[in-house]
Amino acid sequence: DAGVIQSPRHEVTEMGQEVTLRCKPISGHDYLFWYRQTMMRGLELLIYFNNNVPIDDSGMPEDRFSAKMPNASFSTLKIQPSEPRDSAVYFCASRPASGSYEQYFGPGTRLTVT
Amino acid sequence: RKEVEQDPGPFNVPEGATVAFNCTYSNSASQSFFWYRQDCRKEPKLLMSVYSSGNEDGRFTAQLNRASQYISLLIRDSKLSDSATYLCVVNGGGNFNKFYFGSGTKLNVKP
Repeated sequence: DAGVIQSPRHEVTEMGQEVTLRCKPISGHDYLFWYRQTMMRGLELLIYFNNNVPIDDSGMPEDRFSAKMPNASFSTLKIQPSEPRDSAVYFCASRPASGSYEQYFGPGTRLTVT
Repeated sequence: RKEVEQDPGPFNVPEGATVAFNCTYSNSASQSFFWYRQDCRKEPKLLMSVYSSGNEDGRFTAQLNRASQYISLLIRDSKLSDSATYLCVVNGGGNFNKFYFGSGTKLNVKP
């Protein structure tokens, strides 16, 4: 089975540009999570969805960040406008509705904003 | 106060050594506990869940002390391939979907 798929794997952009990160969860998983990882703050939950509905976005840093899940197999995290402090690795994770609550992570998108 | 605190290390140990990591958590209502492993420039992967009674998986043993709100991971007979960062993970109170990750403890196993 394919794991969580994220694209792009690396993104370098200039300050002020719009950035869109993409995620395809594992088929059949009902929950999808977006995380950000930096050296200073570690791994932080930004937002999570259940059955395509956003449940908790309290971790989204500010209005420049938005996330959508138009269907069960696709989600986006958008930053507009991007700033250098947004540079981080962004992970998407998913998990099924039942089971051990283990979250399965994608390979991440390494974002650099110059 | 951080939700989850870990000693960042690094722990530098020779092959075959036994090494132990601890982590503390602040929310007494937390109910799910895990250790994840993260290799350099890779995604975190579940190493093991931590159960109240303690649990073992091969060379790895996890313990939970609810009274003191700490979790431990013991690795016996360390292998070179155990070199990684180990993340302590705790759910946020009654919400099984809000994971709080520790900053990680880096382990280097030397030949």
